[in-house]
Amino acid sequence: AQKITQTQPGMFVQEKEAVTLDCTYDTSDPSYGLFWYKQPSSGEMIFLIYQGSYDQQNATEGRYSLNFQKARKSANLVISASQLGDSAMYFCAMRGYNQGGKLIFGQGTELSVKP
Amino acid sequence: EAQVTQNPRYLITVTGKKLTVTCSQNMNHEYMSWYRQDPGLGLRQIYYSMNVEVTDKGDVPEGYKVSRKEKRNFPLILESPSPNQTSLYFCASSVTGPNQPQHFGDGTRLSIL
Repeated sequence: AQKITQTQPGMFVQEKEAVTLDCTYDTSDPSYGLFWYKQPSSGEMIFLIYQGSYDQQNATEGRYSLNFQKARKSANLVISASQLGDSAMYFCAMRGYNQGGKLIFGQGTELSVKP
Repeated sequence: EAQVTQNPRYLITVTGKKLTVTCSQNMNHEYMSWYRQDPGLGLRQIYYSMNVEVTDKGDVPEGYKVSRKEKRNFPLILESPSPNQTSLYFCASSVTGPNQPQHFGDGTRLSIL
């Protein structure tokens, strides 16, 4: 069965510092994608970054990078130079080849950025 | 602007009164899906569609119906809403494939009294 685990229910980070949000996954699919979404208090789901299971390099997108360790089945999100607007809920998600296209979400990590 | 549009954004209604939440995307995506988000349960898929006239159940389809008559639209129908369907609903769309991100609408907050 596919599963995403986010073990940090809440985290604090000082403004301008970097922060790592943890995500581990479990799947039997040979091909899959890993995604991070941001959900601010207003409720919308914003796509941040994606990593394919066969990608050799870690994905980066502006201040976001994904630390992908396939052997450890982890896909941690790193946010550099945190900003107050980064305060939100962050979800790790996975989409497998054999799962009807659905996204499997973790329980989320609530990030609070302190000034 | 590429987007997924859901309507309404908020709705308070009563048990048993049929309602439809509309979803439209302008990105020519084949894949569309509905999720609900509940505290402690996370996001769960209700129904999905791989293309026009092709729909299938997700993890929590009971009490919901969908249709996909046009590529851009994927409405969610609650024929006889009940209080346990009070939730935050998201429509999403994407190109088909595990490596494709799904793009979400802004969400619909449904309260069923």
